[in-house]
Amino acid sequence: DSGVTQTPKHLITATGQRVTLRCSPRSGDLSVYWYQQSLDQGLQFLIQYYNGEERAKGNILERFSAQQFPDLHSELNLSSLELGDSALYFCASTPSGTGGGSGYTFGSGTRLTVV
Amino acid sequence: ELKVEQNPLFLSMQEGKNYTIYCNYSTTSDRLYWYRQDPGKSLESLFVLLSNGAVKQEGRLMASLDTKARLSTLHITAAVHDLSATYFCAVARSRLTFGEGTQLTVNP
Repeated sequence: DSGVTQTPKHLITATGQRVTLRCSPRSGDLSVYWYQQSLDQGLQFLIQYYNGEERAKGNILERFSAQQFPDLHSELNLSSLELGDSALYFCASTPSGTGGGSGYTFGSGTRLTVV
Repeated sequence: ELKVEQNPLFLSMQEGKNYTIYCNYSTTSDRLYWYRQDPGKSLESLFVLLSNGAVKQEGRLMASLDTKARLSTLHITAAVHDLSATYFCAVARSRLTFGEGTQLTVNP
């Protein structure tokens, strides 16, 4: 157990629907990062939050949004889902705004299947 | 934009052999990470390399970093089947940027 908790582990939903993925960072970590892993795009950075504030944005679609709550857990909202959104979604956490010597700790991921 | 390239992307090797995976990156960074991923699983941290010339070893794996050449290597010594997995390097600036991954298969 890495200490980063993601729920749910698996999600199957239909096109056009909306889902929410949840991530609880490792205790004491202030930063949460979201990554999407698909077969054709590899591991893509989506967005980072640090202590409740958006810190950096990657290739995140406008249909996707995220937030980090006061208790530091984060949610990734995916709407108007398309077949191409099927992927593994990982979150990672770090103590500060950057990885530093301790690195990035990844959760076990949420496998999203859009049918 | 930071680009991270790994080669080879696919590696099939026999048990007992040695091989090296290369990771090149395009812009300055002094933090490089290696991860292992088993199919459908999470990313397991292997090494964190923080400075030029850093070398770390764990079991049959050894990683090194040359920041001047913007190159990291992951050397596998006397491979065993249990090392079969996908290996990613990742470079940190404001966030982690990953290479494409090297899918390693170790055959008996």
